[in-house]
Amino acid sequence: RKEVEQDPGPFNVPEGATVAFNCTYSNSASQSFFWYRQDCRKEPKLLMSVYSSGNEDGRFTAQLNRASQYISLLIRDSKLSDSATYLCVVNTGTASKLTFGTGTRLQVTL
Amino acid sequence: EAGVTQFPSHSVIEKGQTVTLRCDPISGHDNLYWYRRVMGKEIKFLLHFVKESKQDESGMPNNRFLAERTGGTYSTLKVQPAELEDSGVYFCASSSRGVAGVETQYFGPGTRLLVL
Repeated sequence: RKEVEQDPGPFNVPEGATVAFNCTYSNSASQSFFWYRQDCRKEPKLLMSVYSSGNEDGRFTAQLNRASQYISLLIRDSKLSDSATYLCVVNTGTASKLTFGTGTRLQVTL
Repeated sequence: EAGVTQFPSHSVIEKGQTVTLRCDPISGHDNLYWYRRVMGKEIKFLLHFVKESKQDESGMPNNRFLAERTGGTYSTLKVQPAELEDSGVYFCASSSRGVAGVETQYFGPGTRLLVL
């Protein structure tokens, strides 16, 4: 079983749609949680950290459920520029290796 | 502020040859990480330096891989001799401690290695 599981997609949605991605992690000792965005043939870039209380950054909302070991990302009012692969990432320490999911591919269309 | 840089951007070598990848972290970042993505798989951790010391090298595949960070600045990752399964994208990341101790790792553009 992979340490971080994501639906690989692709998710094909029209502009303006709301889309949600889910992720589960197996290591209950995980301490920090992130969503990274990766464009084709580019490096991963931090989209947002995920906190237990939930957090929002513009059109993006992230949620963490520690009891279920589940992380989500909601994108509202999708833009063409949101097309990318979204990586669910966890880390078990304050300065330690990141464990990545395989990523969920999003394609936003006109 | 300059980001993480990596050199070369691409490398094509034959099986059995040696390749050295270089990473320059963000200035002042003590933590430096190497990751690798092979085709069709997730990005996987290779090792972690704190300054010039190896903190965690549990992800290194075998002894054909040697990483160094002399002086605690840039790092090199040497593969010798390269095998076909070493092909992939090698990412370097660096970090410093952020708010409430939460660390953010910033990634370089990667080196695409193809072993023929």
